[in-house]
Order: sequence, then structure tokens, then C-alpha cells
Amino acid sequence: SQTIHQWPATLVQPVGSPLSLECTVEGTSNPNLYWYRQAAGRGLQLLFYSVGIGQISSEVPQNLSASRPQDRQFILSSKKLLLSDSGFYLCAWRQGLGARGNTIYFGEGSWLTVV
Amino acid sequence: AQSVTQPDIHITVSEGASLELRCNYSYGATPYLFWYVQSPGQGLQLLLKYFSGDTLVQGIKGFEAEFKRSQSSFNLRKPSVHWSDAAEYFCAVGAPDGNKLVFGAGTILRVKS
Repeated sequence: SQTIHQWPATLVQPVGSPLSLECTVEGTSNPNLYWYRQAAGRGLQLLFYSVGIGQISSEVPQNLSASRPQDRQFILSSKKLLLSDSGFYLCAWRQGLGARGNTIYFGEGSWLTVV
Repeated sequence: AQSVTQPDIHITVSEGASLELRCNYSYGATPYLFWYVQSPGQGLQLLLKYFSGDTLVQGIKGFEAEFKRSQSSFNLRKPSVHWSDAAEYFCAVGAPDGNKLVFGAGTILRVKS
């Protein structure tokens, strides 16, 4: 069966410091991968998605970037964090091209607090 | 473009009472529809989904949802709520040939004993 892991689970970082959140999926190949952000009291905002290695689509202009160095690895980064980057970050995956249906499955999330 | 509206930000129900969470979507064709549940500080768990066929779909934990094309709605229901159902619920819509899901803002369910 497929599993998704993301880490770290909790992170407290000072303003201006870098960020790296990692996500890996097991038990599938060529998945679509996603990074969502959930700010306090708000819904889910899609930040990035990827349909393949090195292919990144950005949904909103922001201080963050994403990379997909391997088929089942998705990384969310920032060079200099802002206070507004605080939030709950969720990695997610779905079966890729040719698979019917778009059920997206989520990781457990990473809490980022920028201080 | 797809969009989802969950008109109720908070709902409080008594344990054992019935529940209905509302979801309205905007999409030009028949969408794929989903309900997810999120407990505090955790990821999202899929409750149920609608792709085609029977418009009444059954999910986990005793939940069901009905797709009504004429009303562009996909409301979530449960006949008898348990205290453990307290969580935040998200409705989402996706295009059948698309890569993305668009989520509503969520409805926080509180269950009182």
C-alpha cells in the first residue's frame, strides 16, 4: 500500500532563516505531488504541484519554492522566511497521468512557526 | 475555474443528533467531488468521493453525501453524530482531467454532550 511521509512535524524558525520541508511517497511510481498551506482558521491553499521529476507548477506568487529531485520526493524551501510563512503545510499525492480519478491523499502535515 | 463554498464556518450539534454539512461547487461539467475530515494538528483523511453513477455515496465512519446537479451541491450527512466526529470538514472539487483539487474554507464541527 502507498504511504506518504513528511518531516519535520514541527518547526520553529526565526525570520530570515531558510526552510526545507521534505515529503516522500512510497508504494507508487510517477505520482502527482502537492504542497498545500493551511493558515490558522483558513482553508487549504495549493502552493505547488508536480507531475514529474523537475516539473513544478506554482499556484501563487510567494516567498517559497519547490523542487522534485526524485520521482517520489518533493521538497518545499525558502531562502528567507517571513512571519507570514507561518502555517500548517501539507504534502499530498495522487496517482499520475493515465490514472482515473483524482483522489488526493495527504501526509500528516508540518507546523511551521516563524518568530 | 472550479470553486467550492462551504457556507457554515462553525456548526454545533448534540451528540446523537443528525448532521448535515453544506457544500456548493462551481464547475462547468460534472466534477469529481470529495469530503475530507481533519482532526486538530493532523492531515486530512478522505471520507468519501463522487466520480459518477449513484448520486448517494457512502463513506467511512457512517457518513454519506448526495450529489445534486440541479443545486450544484454535495452535502455531507450523518444520522447520529458521535463526540469523536468533532473536527474540521472540507469539501473539494476536481476536474476529471485535471491535476488539482480546489477546497472549500472548511466547516468546524463541535459536538456537545
